[in-house]
Amino acid sequence: EVQLLESGGGLVQPGGSLRLSCAASGFTFSGYAMTWVRQAPGKGLEWVSTISGGGTTFYADSVKGRFTISRDNSKNTLYLQMNSLRAEDTAVYYCAKSDDPRDYMDVWGKGTTVTVSS
Amino acid sequence: DIVMTQSPDSLAVSLGERATINCKSSQSVLYSSNNKNYLAWYQQKPGQPLKLLIYWASTRESGVPDRFSGSGSGTDFTLTISSLQAEDVAVYYCQQYYNNPCSFGQGTKLEIK
Repeated sequence: EVQLLESGGGLVQPGGSLRLSCAASGFTFSGYAMTWVRQAPGKGLEWVSTISGGGTTFYADSVKGRFTISRDNSKNTLYLQMNSLRAEDTAVYYCAKSDDPRDYMDVWGKGTTVTVSS
Repeated sequence: DIVMTQSPDSLAVSLGERATINCKSSQSVLYSSNNKNYLAWYQQKPGQPLKLLIYWASTRESGVPDRFSGSGSGTDFTLTISSLQAEDVAVYYCQQYYNNPCSFGQGTKLEIK
């Protein structure tokens, strides 16, 4: 069964850092693009970042220069390093897989919650 | 960036009746070289992962009940649930993946009347 399991969320102060992880199973992780999408409380879905199977990265303007997406294909794990966090980064963060960076996302995780507050 | 706008924001439909959700993109998501609409529909239920329902605007994902269907082309799209079941209560999102960044509609909350 294809599964994605996010972890690493929590409460962090403004300006702080956090690293999210997404453990993948049930498919050949290295062959797929992986994406982070977030959902602020009571709001809709916002694309954050995508990494291709080959490591090419894409970022939303709102996180560019602060967030870094990466992957460890040997560990079947996706990461999101979040620095200089702001209150507006508070959200549930989901990871999702797709065949290509420019493609629909066919499997999603349940998400991990990030709260940025003093 | 492409802006996706869904209507209505919320919808109440009786069990067994048809539910229709609309999605409009600010520019065409039809790629002329392959004649495909880069449009997907997702279902979100509390505590569950988002579920892909429809891709390429009208292709049903494996395992999705056939009461779910997608239609439309260019800038105007529709998700139809032909006969609403209790388990269909959820929030539904459209998404364009024609451009980077991809973008989502604001969501439509579907409830039972």
